[in-house]
Amino acid sequence: QSVLTQPPSVSGAPGQRVTISCTGSSSNIGAGYDVHWYQQLPGTAPRLLIYANNNRPSGVPDRFSGSKSGTSASLAFTGLQAEDEADYYCQSYDSSLNAYVFGTGTKVTVL
Amino acid sequence: QLQLQESGPGLVKPSETLSLTCTVSGGSISTSSYYWAWIRQPPGKGLEWIGSIYYSGSTYYNPSLKSRVTTSLDTSKSQFSLKLNFVTAADTAVYYCARYGAGRSWYDGWFDPWGQGTLVIVSS
Repeated sequence: QSVLTQPPSVSGAPGQRVTISCTGSSSNIGAGYDVHWYQQLPGTAPRLLIYANNNRPSGVPDRFSGSKSGTSASLAFTGLQAEDEADYYCQSYDSSLNAYVFGTGTKVTVL
Repeated sequence: QLQLQESGPGLVKPSETLSLTCTVSGGSISTSSYYWAWIRQPPGKGLEWIGSIYYSGSTYYNPSLKSRVTTSLDTSKSQFSLKLNFVTAADTAVYYCARYGAGRSWYDGWFDPWGQGTLVIVSS
């Protein structure tokens, strides 16, 4: 059972703005640990999408952005595209579990 | 460009030991800047961090798996390995190796890049 909760699925039309939430607690996100996001295309390994809350690795389009506030973080897509259909996971550290933890994952569907 | 590749048996019998190796190419495994990690994903489910190893040999394991996990490093072969003892069907998963780099602290880091993953099925 993950300590970082994400909505199971979100969907949107091409070009629409969509956000994914990652809700934690005082022992992980709320404790100030950074949040990172990964994209997992069907049948492939996860790849880093956002690191340290709001930074994009080189090669990641600027339509992806991240934010963090309190015990939650969010990943936003501005201008959803068909190739964005994938599973998305947040990741942080939990001081109560003494472990790196991942979110429950969100499947993004482009209508 | 750093690349990681997992290898090992795709089928393990219950109660036996799962053994996997990750081969790193395009960069040095003997660096103080990173840990080397194992992560798994049961079919249709989410991601779970298993453990990490530093170039010095220091290890850090998920407490939920710690009693059954061992990791090791072979710098001469640019490889690191995972052993998981006493496996059950619940250990059936795709196992990934990845590099872990620190952010503001070792607690704030992220996994990048990842290997392609290897499916391990636990069944008699």
